[in-house]
Amino acid sequence: EAGVTQFPSHSVIEKGQTVTLRCDPISGHDNLYWYRRVMGKEIKFLLHFVKESKQDESGMPNNRFLAERTGGTYSTLKVQPAELEDSGVYFCATGFYNEQFFGPGTRLTVL
Amino acid sequence: GDSVTQMEGPVTLSEEAFLTINCTYTATGYPSLFWYVQYPGEGLQLLLKATKADDKGSNKGFEATYRKETTSFHLEKGSVQVSDSAVYFCALTIYSSASKIIFGSGTRLSIRP
Repeated sequence: EAGVTQFPSHSVIEKGQTVTLRCDPISGHDNLYWYRRVMGKEIKFLLHFVKESKQDESGMPNNRFLAERTGGTYSTLKVQPAELEDSGVYFCATGFYNEQFFGPGTRLTVL
Repeated sequence: GDSVTQMEGPVTLSEEAFLTINCTYTATGYPSLFWYVQYPGEGLQLLLKATKADDKGSNKGFEATYRKETTSFHLEKGSVQVSDSAVYFCALTIYSSASKIIFGSGTRLSIRP
């Protein structure tokens, strides 16, 4: 069974540019979560989808971040425009409240 | 609010040493507790979990016991190996809180041969 995949693995962009991260969940998993780890700090929750609906987006830092999940399958997280403090590793996870399976993460560097 | 506090690293040990990484939590509900591990160049993996008080989670020689009286979930291993070098994250979820995972800040462990 394929795991959670994320694309790209690394992205380097300049401040003010736009970046879109993608997450492909494990097949059949309705729950999809986005997290990020900034500057070696704790991993923080961003938002939670159940199928295509946003269940909880309380962790989204501001309106520069937009997450979508088309048809309840893959999800994208767009940052527009990117700022320096957005640098970090963005993780996607799918599963259930007592077991979430994480992707390898996308390392975003904003210069 | 709900939170997880774990010992700061980095932690450096010699091979075959005993390992303890301390973790305490604050939770308003009844949390499930986890240890996740991130090996160099890889994603997060679930190492072990415990869903109720006094449960012991174990995997790959690592153990952690859910202690409600001390709100702790310390990670232990009797004899570490070089391959255990990684970043370890203590974490919790509370079913009533939309299932998000709350993580500690991570502890980097380095094992020298």
